[in-house]
Amino acid sequence: KNQVEQSPQSLIILEGKNCTLQCNYTVSPFSNLRWYKQDTGRGPVSLTIMTFSENTKSNGRYTATLDADTKQSSLHITASQLSDSASYICVVSYGGATNKLIFGTGTLLAVQP
Amino acid sequence: NAGVTQTPKFQVLKTGQSMTLQCAQDMNHEYMSWYRQDPGMGLRLIHYSVGAGITDQGEVPNGYNVSRSTTEDFPLRLLSAAPSQTSVYFCASSYSAGTGGNSPLHFGNGTRLTVT
Repeated sequence: KNQVEQSPQSLIILEGKNCTLQCNYTVSPFSNLRWYKQDTGRGPVSLTIMTFSENTKSNGRYTATLDADTKQSSLHITASQLSDSASYICVVSYGGATNKLIFGTGTLLAVQP
Repeated sequence: NAGVTQTPKFQVLKTGQSMTLQCAQDMNHEYMSWYRQDPGMGLRLIHYSVGAGITDQGEVPNGYNVSRSTTEDFPLRLLSAAPSQTSVYFCASSYSAGTGGNSPLHFGNGTRLTVT
């Protein structure tokens, strides 16, 4: 069964600190892995898309890694800001079409001053 | 650039009522889709369209209808609302219907629907 699991479910960190969010997946055939940021009351916004051959991809203070062998991805946030408070959703694409996406349940991050 | 616009933002319906959730995008995207987001679950695909005049069912299509008469608009119709349809609904669009390349989904800000 195709599944995407994220950990932790929620996380609280202090402003300026770094954090790492995890995503494990059992999806076949794998096409790409995406990370989205969802602010409260808003729609998800794309952070990165990684294909099978990409190990690391950065978007400002966000760095995503992908290990296709172990089927794990991580999202590292550097020097966190209050505006980073949001839910971070891992999404895995399979089968080569946009309608074939498996969404994780997200990690809820709270950055405190 | 407006991106993906959804209306209304909030809606309360009584069981059995019908309504249409509106979605419009101004990016000339060929792919459009509807998702629902429920607590403790990942987003689930309701219906999608790969171009004007073409629609297909997603993972949870029962109780919903869609049509795509133009590239820009993709309305979602609830035929006879049920409490199980209480959810947050997101419309999303993408340049390409295929995921082989870097074609992210662009989401609207959602419609929060409550069915009593």
